[in-house]
Amino acid sequence: GAVVSQHPSRVICKSGTSVKIECRSLDFQATTMFWYRQFPKKSLMLMATSNEGSKATYEQGVEKDKFLINHASLTLSTLTVTSAHPEDSSFYICSASPHEGYEQYFGPGTRLTVT
Amino acid sequence: RKEVEQDPGPFNVPEGATVAFNCTYSNSASQSFFWYRQDCRKEPKLLMSVYSSGNEDGRFTAQLNRASQYISLLIRDSKLSDSATYLCVVKGSNDYKLSFGAGTTVTVRA
Repeated sequence: GAVVSQHPSRVICKSGTSVKIECRSLDFQATTMFWYRQFPKKSLMLMATSNEGSKATYEQGVEKDKFLINHASLTLSTLTVTSAHPEDSSFYICSASPHEGYEQYFGPGTRLTVT
Repeated sequence: RKEVEQDPGPFNVPEGATVAFNCTYSNSASQSFFWYRQDCRKEPKLLMSVYSSGNEDGRFTAQLNRASQYISLLIRDSKLSDSATYLCVVKGSNDYKLSFGAGTTVTVRA
């Protein structure tokens, strides 16, 4: 149980385009999902908390207009990187918890490369 | 000061050896603690939760010292498959956010 999927697993896009990443909880419902990014040999950095049916909560320094989050259902959250630039190239990972406040399970991640 | 700090390693050990490492956290109000492992270019996977009384899962033993605000992980009888980066993860008391350490790299050699 507690399986989280992400799609796509890898994407290469050109500067200026937008990319949508999907995060799904496959066998449980999640009112809250989390989006992280990770640079090589660095820790995961929380970008935002995605809340079903309401606006996402962004961490300090994360531009909400650049990283659009939509949590339309209890099993799906999407992250859209708008007007992507090479510095947005990173490993983006989502997570969800079947029991709020307890351990989180991570999706397999999406490796974004912006050329 | 970082919320969660870990010795980055690497810890390079032979098969069958015991390896142990710590992590310290800055928020004394932290409530939950976890060890995750992350393989190269993969997502983190939950290894074990850490309880106040300490807990063991097979070859892995985790300890929590609230007074000194550190968590430890010990791996006995190391296997090649234990080679990974081990992430110390702490959850605060007021929300569901997790704070991650940068990870401790363990390499088990034949």
